[in-house]
Amino acid sequence: DTAVSQTPKYLVTQMGNDKSIKCEQNLGHDTMYWYKQDSKKFLKIMFSYNNKELIINETVPNRFSPKSPDKAHLNLHINSLELGDSAVYFCASSQGFSEAFFGQGTRLTVV
Amino acid sequence: AQTVTQSQPEMSVQEAETVTLSCTYDTSESNYYLFWYKQPPSRQMILVIRQEAYKQQNATENRFSVNFQKAAKSFSLKISDSQLGDTAMYFCAFMKPNTGNQFYFGTGTSLTVIP
Repeated sequence: DTAVSQTPKYLVTQMGNDKSIKCEQNLGHDTMYWYKQDSKKFLKIMFSYNNKELIINETVPNRFSPKSPDKAHLNLHINSLELGDSAVYFCASSQGFSEAFFGQGTRLTVV
Repeated sequence: AQTVTQSQPEMSVQEAETVTLSCTYDTSESNYYLFWYKQPPSRQMILVIRQEAYKQQNATENRFSVNFQKAAKSFSLKISDSQLGDTAMYFCAFMKPNTGNQFYFGTGTSLTVIP
């Protein structure tokens, strides 16, 4: 039973399109995150939600909009996709002082 | 913001040998948590080991152990009896507990275990 699952695993799309990545965790965690991993493998925080409230919003273009319908879900919607958005996007969750549990990542390729 | 530095972009080790991966961090906090994650080619992020800053004893998890030097802000990972399955990217991470519990990651070390 997957703890943090995100869909899809792979996403290939054209520039200018709008796409969404879904994330669900069944761990009962209060905090969920979106990270972006670029081609050099650097992991950068994008957003953090705690009990459906946005806590951290790093300098991310406003084309990226997270949505948390409940504390088990944190979806990422991206408008007007650009070539530079190509990356692997990871969803993660944590609770208290625990480690972060990661989804399997979504490889987004914008062509 | 906290910074985490991994100064070794790539490392290699012979199978069955021991290797140490370096990590330093910068913080003014006294209470925090440190982690090592492994990312194999499958790209799944897997927790290797964690250390609470208030604990002086170094964490150990089977073949994996850390050398935590709080005053020096150093948190290195030692892998003993290296196995081919240890080949992966290794990320050091820092977490300051607060609302949001943000994790800061280093740039990673690519480890190759040579048969």
